[in-house]
Amino acid sequence: DAKTTQPPSMDCAEGRAANLPCNHSTISGNEYVYWYRQIHSQGPQYIIHGLKNNETNEMASLIITEDRKSSTLILPHATLRDTAVYYCIVNLNRDDKIIFGKGTRLHILP
Amino acid sequence: GAVVSQHPSRVICKSGTSVKIECRSLDFQATTMFWYRQFPKKSLMLMATSNEGSKATYEQGVEKDKFLINHASLTLSTLTVTSAHPEDSSFYICSAKIIGTGAPEAFFGQGTRLTVV
Repeated sequence: DAKTTQPPSMDCAEGRAANLPCNHSTISGNEYVYWYRQIHSQGPQYIIHGLKNNETNEMASLIITEDRKSSTLILPHATLRDTAVYYCIVNLNRDDKIIFGKGTRLHILP
Repeated sequence: GAVVSQHPSRVICKSGTSVKIECRSLDFQATTMFWYRQFPKKSLMLMATSNEGSKATYEQGVEKDKFLINHASLTLSTLTVTSAHPEDSSFYICSAKIIGTGAPEAFFGQGTRLTVV
């Protein structure tokens, strides 16, 4: 079973920041938080991951609460191409299998 | 980033025939690959974990005799859907992680859309 809870859908205006929440209250100390997204009819794409600290890369920022029970993925300037299903996943590194939850369907509105 | 390639991207087959889907890691080695199935408007469902040089590990409820997985090398895993039926029509996706000290994230293929008629 997936160990995360996400809202089923969200809307965001183009050019604005999209903030996608995720609850993972049962996360263990050595599990990472990963975010992937899936654009329609494509394979999932890795976005970002973190353990304790906030992380930023060219795609997004990841904010993890101090107790690690929740996190927020931030797309700073959403574009129409960011319309996708976003999956928050907790996972050990290396060969641990990835279990997908239902994700959040993000609609970027023009 | 690392690339995982699936072939074919689309396939239509007749009921009762078998279909093979290939998953290749193009620029890295993967001792472990994963196979998923996705129905329309649903999330990805893990079918099995493919281990190079050993038998695959199937998730509960997945028929190992119907979905044959072979991981013959560090860059190739295949999924064969045997005696396909219309209910096997789905989007099949593979993924792999880089072994050793490589990136911890998983890389996914572009998916194979199987239609059984």
